[in-house]
Amino acid sequence: GAGVSQSPSNKVTEKGKDVELRCDPISGHTALYWYRQSLGQGLEFLIYFQGNSAPDKSGLPSDRFSAERTGGSVSTLTIQRTQQEDSAVYLCASRQDPDTQYFGPGTRLTVL
Amino acid sequence: RKEVEQDPGPFNVPEGATVAFNCTYSNSASQSFFWYRQDCRKEPKLLMSVYSSGNEDGRFTAQLNRASQYISLLIRDSKLSDSATYLCVVNILRNSGGYQKVTFGTGTKLQVIP
Repeated sequence: GAGVSQSPSNKVTEKGKDVELRCDPISGHTALYWYRQSLGQGLEFLIYFQGNSAPDKSGLPSDRFSAERTGGSVSTLTIQRTQQEDSAVYLCASRQDPDTQYFGPGTRLTVL
Repeated sequence: RKEVEQDPGPFNVPEGATVAFNCTYSNSASQSFFWYRQDCRKEPKLLMSVYSSGNEDGRFTAQLNRASQYISLLIRDSKLSDSATYLCVVNILRNSGGYQKVTFGTGTKLQVIP
């Protein structure tokens, strides 16, 4: 079946611009996670949505970062006034089982 | 202390060798454990879950030691295609509503050499 999809696959933007990254989770998955990964580094947790509960935003690095999940499905991660240090691969994962996360292919963000 | 710790490596091993990685976790309330594999410039993919009784999938064996709070991954008869970064994942169930805290280790890099 269809896996997690993310768009765009690549995004190049200028410093100071806002960007929106989209994640389409696997249909029926109640949990959705956003991570980012800088080159050669590990995964950095950003935010977690679980059903209708308030999201866990504890990983968001600054108030320039926000995310929404509409209708319990699609999620959008927004980064305002992008900085060069925001350059990374942004990964989305969804989960339905108690345990297993499935990752999308990621969005590679480059801030010039 | 980090919640989940892994030796970053790299582990450089010849084809056919057996290699093992450990991953330690700090929270004794951790409930489920996984190994993911991440190839260069690709997303992580589930390799195997780690059960209390240990589990095996072909050349891969995963073990959990709750007393010492670590999990291990053993790869036998290494193949060139096993070259990747192996991520340890630890989940804690926070409430009955399915809320989970998921923590990834930073990964152990394996390079299998011809």
